[in-house]
Amino acid sequence: DAGVIQSPRHEVTEMGQEVTLRCKPISGHDYLFWYRQTMMRGLELLIYFNNNVPIDDSGMPEDRFSAKMPNASFSTLKIQPSEPRDSAVYFCASSPSDRGNIQYFGAGTRLSVL
Amino acid sequence: GENVEQHPSTLSVQEGDSAVIKCTYSDSASNYFPWYKQELGKRPQLIIDIRSNVGEKKDQRIAVTLNKTAKHFSLHITETQPEDSAVYFCAASKDGNQFYFGTGTSLTVIP
Repeated sequence: DAGVIQSPRHEVTEMGQEVTLRCKPISGHDYLFWYRQTMMRGLELLIYFNNNVPIDDSGMPEDRFSAKMPNASFSTLKIQPSEPRDSAVYFCASSPSDRGNIQYFGAGTRLSVL
Repeated sequence: GENVEQHPSTLSVQEGDSAVIKCTYSDSASNYFPWYKQELGKRPQLIIDIRSNVGEKKDQRIAVTLNKTAKHFSLHITETQPEDSAVYFCAASKDGNQFYFGTGTSLTVIP
């Protein structure tokens, strides 16, 4: 298994532009999580899905952030418009409901908004 | 919501010595406590976890202890090696899905 796959690995964009981050969870996993990691705030859960349905999006910082999971093998996190303070590493993780609580993280997308 | 505090933020030990990282949590309903290791530029990976019905769990050189009454849990690494150098995150969860992470401890093992 290739694990959780995220793309792109690095994204550099200008303030005001739309940014789309992508995630392919491990096949068979029921849960998908989006995290943001910064030096100041550490790892923050933004939103998570169960069977493609958003369960809790209380961590999404603003309306500029949105996430979708159109099917079991793909999710996107979109920021529109992007701002410099959105610069961070964004991780996607997935978890199989029959393995308890272990979350498997992707390699992350490092986003820089100039 | 849950608040997880982690100490120390940085830790340096000599190779072969032990390292201890401590976390406290605020929500007494939390019942699952994983620890993740993140090497520089890499993804976080689970190294050990403990549930609230257990007071201690050990896996080779790594152990985790939990004190539910005091609402704190700790990671113990014995006989540290240079490859243990990384950032370690604790987390707490009451539903097994929503993890509240500590701010991380940067561990450096000096050869």
